[in-house]
Amino acid sequence: EAEVAQSPRYKITEKSQAVAFWCDPISGHATLYWYRQILGQGPELLVQFQDESVVDDSQLPKDRFSAERLKGVDSTLKIQPAELGDSAMYLCASSPNLPLANVLTFGAGSRLTVL
Amino acid sequence: AQKITQTQPGMFVQEKEAVTLDCTYDTSDQSYGLFWYKQPSSGEMIFLIYQGSYDEQNATEGRYSLNFQKARKSANLVISASQLGDSAMYFCAMREPGGGTSYGKLTFGQGTILTVHP
Repeated sequence: EAEVAQSPRYKITEKSQAVAFWCDPISGHATLYWYRQILGQGPELLVQFQDESVVDDSQLPKDRFSAERLKGVDSTLKIQPAELGDSAMYLCASSPNLPLANVLTFGAGSRLTVL
Repeated sequence: AQKITQTQPGMFVQEKEAVTLDCTYDTSDQSYGLFWYKQPSSGEMIFLIYQGSYDEQNATEGRYSLNFQKARKSANLVISASQLGDSAMYFCAMREPGGGTSYGKLTFGQGTILTVHP
């Protein structure tokens, strides 16, 4: 069964360091999402890509976070500098674009701890 | 305003019993999709069931069914014959057309932790 691949699974870093997460969506899925999930809460969308274009990054803290999907396939989410409040699970998901019934398939997530 | 509301932070159920997890939503769109996901302690989000706003029948997937009451804007998940492996966090989510830049994203509720007792 096709999967969304994410790495690393776990990352521990110190405050003010840079960190990067990678996601490889299911082949053929045009839409890719990065969500952040703080412990005990529901995931919140950080950025949504349609192919290589960003279609929604309204909740992305752009002073420290950046995301790219250069060839419209895999994607990287970067945080620089990391802050204590960035400790969370970072989930990547992908889906075909239409229709609404298309399920978002999630990766296993990247758990970040900032010390 | 919160779009997805899950009012039960935690629920307990005896093995083999049925349990209902509540979800209400808010939208002005006529066309939307409602989803339930399960998140075990390992962290991965697992899709359980989908209900479209125009679907006349309640969705069912094995032991999962969705009690969809459109007028009340509720989409409760019913798990029949609970198993120990059902212990996890459960999220209700909604996907709206929205238009513009918000098309297609899932908006999640805060989740309900389900504990199944032997």
